[in-house]
Amino acid sequence: DAGITQSPRHKVTETGTPVTLRCHQTENHRYMYWYRQDPGHGLRLIHYSYGVKDTDKGEVSDGYSVSRSKTEDFLLTLESATSSQTSVYFCAISDPLLSNQETQYFGPGTRLLVL
Amino acid sequence: KNEVEQSPQNLTAQEGEFITINCSYSVGISALHWLQQHPGGGIVSLFMLSSGKKKHGRLIATINIQEKHSSLHITASHPRDSAVYICAARTSGNTPLVFGKGTRLSVIA
Repeated sequence: DAGITQSPRHKVTETGTPVTLRCHQTENHRYMYWYRQDPGHGLRLIHYSYGVKDTDKGEVSDGYSVSRSKTEDFLLTLESATSSQTSVYFCAISDPLLSNQETQYFGPGTRLLVL
Repeated sequence: KNEVEQSPQNLTAQEGEFITINCSYSVGISALHWLQQHPGGGIVSLFMLSSGKKKHGRLIATINIQEKHSSLHITASHPRDSAVYICAARTSGNTPLVFGKGTRLSVIA
């Protein structure tokens, strides 16, 4: 298994508070992704990074920001959490130059509940 | 924008049955991925296809580029195959994957 960890694994927070989720990898993969997974929807891309300090928006980026100050860490911040951001958040990594043909490796997920 | 559709949404099978899950997409792609999400939530990549067919154990994935369609087959299904199967398509180069909503498979002993 690819070395990807997410923290925290579970979080309950209140509406309006900022929340930061961390994704950490030990595989030196260039690309990192944040997805959310909700019933009735497929995995939806929030933001992704293609290198240190290089990030881009995904399909559902409103209300989220990201930072990548080093290869191994990709942080997702909910600036002011809302109940609609209750979801399961997955981090993924890939690197077509290092691993098998752009395969994405997923972290274990973070369950976030916003009350 | 690429749309990825999977069918069926839910599938229940008896142990030993041959299973087919379908995936269609709306625009030309460079790669099609199949993933498996276990009941505990973990997601693993099964296959990446750009043409033809790939086989791994009892799993077979095929793709028809002209018809914009891919299938995932499971032979001799087993209760441990119970999971959500997800297809995802990439239109080109390093563009992000677009995911289908998944097919929930339950295999009953």
